[in-house]
Amino acid sequence: GQNIDQPTEMTATEGAIVQINCTYQTSGFNGLFWYQQHAGEAPTFLSYNVLDGLEEKGRFSSFLSRSKGYSYLLLKELQMKDSASYLCAVSADYKLSFGAGTTVTVRA
Amino acid sequence: SQTIHQWPATLVQPVGSPLSLECTVEGTSNPNLYWYRQAAGRGLQLLFYSVGIGQISSEVPQNLSASRPQDRQFILSSKKLLLSDSGFYLCASRRLAGALEQYFGPGTRLTVT
Repeated sequence: GQNIDQPTEMTATEGAIVQINCTYQTSGFNGLFWYQQHAGEAPTFLSYNVLDGLEEKGRFSSFLSRSKGYSYLLLKELQMKDSASYLCAVSADYKLSFGAGTTVTVRA
Repeated sequence: SQTIHQWPATLVQPVGSPLSLECTVEGTSNPNLYWYRQAAGRGLQLLFYSVGIGQISSEVPQNLSASRPQDRQFILSSKKLLLSDSGFYLCASRRLAGALEQYFGPGTRLTVT
């Protein structure tokens, strides 16, 4: 099975940077995913890491260390619309297991 | 790109009543399909997944069942709903060719009363 841990809540100021950490224990690792979920809506795909290192996509970056079972999602230049839950998910045997999510609140 | 449709969007059902939620996918063939449930304030729980027509794998023992009568149609059913079945039900699709990410439909919010 999978064991995925991420912080429950984080608060940051508009324009700032926030880093959401995710640690996992798994067997049969295929990749690590980050999703954004606004309240009452379905998750939307943000990023995918299969190899160690940093993947950058505009204001969002995701990092993976497979040997440490560790990933983070970095959100830069925070905007009010970034207030949402961010879900870390691990793929094993082509199925996703999700963490409980980190609720990020962006304040003006 | 693929588009995932789910209906109904919202459903209120009494305990003991049957359930049928439908998911259809456009823009891809032979996708892997998934049903998830998200209880209020909780993470996503994988319920069922399917790699092809008539092929269903169950992840969690429960009073729900799933069927895949066509390549791009995935149905979640129950004969008798329980209060604990309330939640946000999400269908997801993964293309067989290409990356491993899954894309989600808009979801069905089910309240069992």
